[in-house]
Amino acid sequence: TQLLEQSPQFLSIQEGENLTVYCNSSSVFSSLQWYRQEPGEGPVLLVTVVTGGEVKKLKRLTFQFGDARKDSSLHITAAQPGDTGLYLCGWIIQGAQKLVFGQGTRLTINP
Amino acid sequence: GAVVSQHPSRVICKSGTSVKIECRSLDFQATTMFWYRQFPKQSLMLMATSNEGSKATYEQGVEKDKFLINHASLTLSTLTVTSAHPEDSSFYICSARDLRGAPYEQYFGPGTRLTVT
Repeated sequence: TQLLEQSPQFLSIQEGENLTVYCNSSSVFSSLQWYRQEPGEGPVLLVTVVTGGEVKKLKRLTFQFGDARKDSSLHITAAQPGDTGLYLCGWIIQGAQKLVFGQGTRLTINP
Repeated sequence: GAVVSQHPSRVICKSGTSVKIECRSLDFQATTMFWYRQFPKQSLMLMATSNEGSKATYEQGVEKDKFLINHASLTLSTLTVTSAHPEDSSFYICSARDLRGAPYEQYFGPGTRLTVT
């Protein structure tokens, strides 16, 4: 059973377009993280969200945490080829203190 | 700060042999390290949690006798793939939690590409 559902799993768009990636679960998250991974490298943390309804911005990236803390979204404005990569949402399982990932969204921005 | 290294970055071994991968926290102490495996075009799957000075905790479906984990110090964890087979070929990534950091702060290594021939 997949604890985290990410959608879409693949997305290919043109430079300059906007996009949104979603991360959902039937469980309540204590905290949730978004990572970006480039081929042949480890994932790099983009943001951690902890509070329901929280919105965080990182340049052209906007992260939202659902009020019920069961879903999150990543919105990219005016996508650029440098945004290409695998975007992963990760859930810190409270108690076990381990991080598990969703299936990931493979994003390709075409120039 | 908060740098995690892995060695080697790439390794090719013959079927039936064993290979050891090292994960080091370079500028912080980590009581807990994690090992992940990633197949091509897939997400990271948690294999095990490595705790300094104690036995590793393996995720369901991961063979502990095949993937030996040792966390002998606060800065080093090793993963040994024993009797490797071609299906063990994968990208192995470790992460480390800073002893003094928040519970959700983990830092990932650059990964090790294992190819078993």
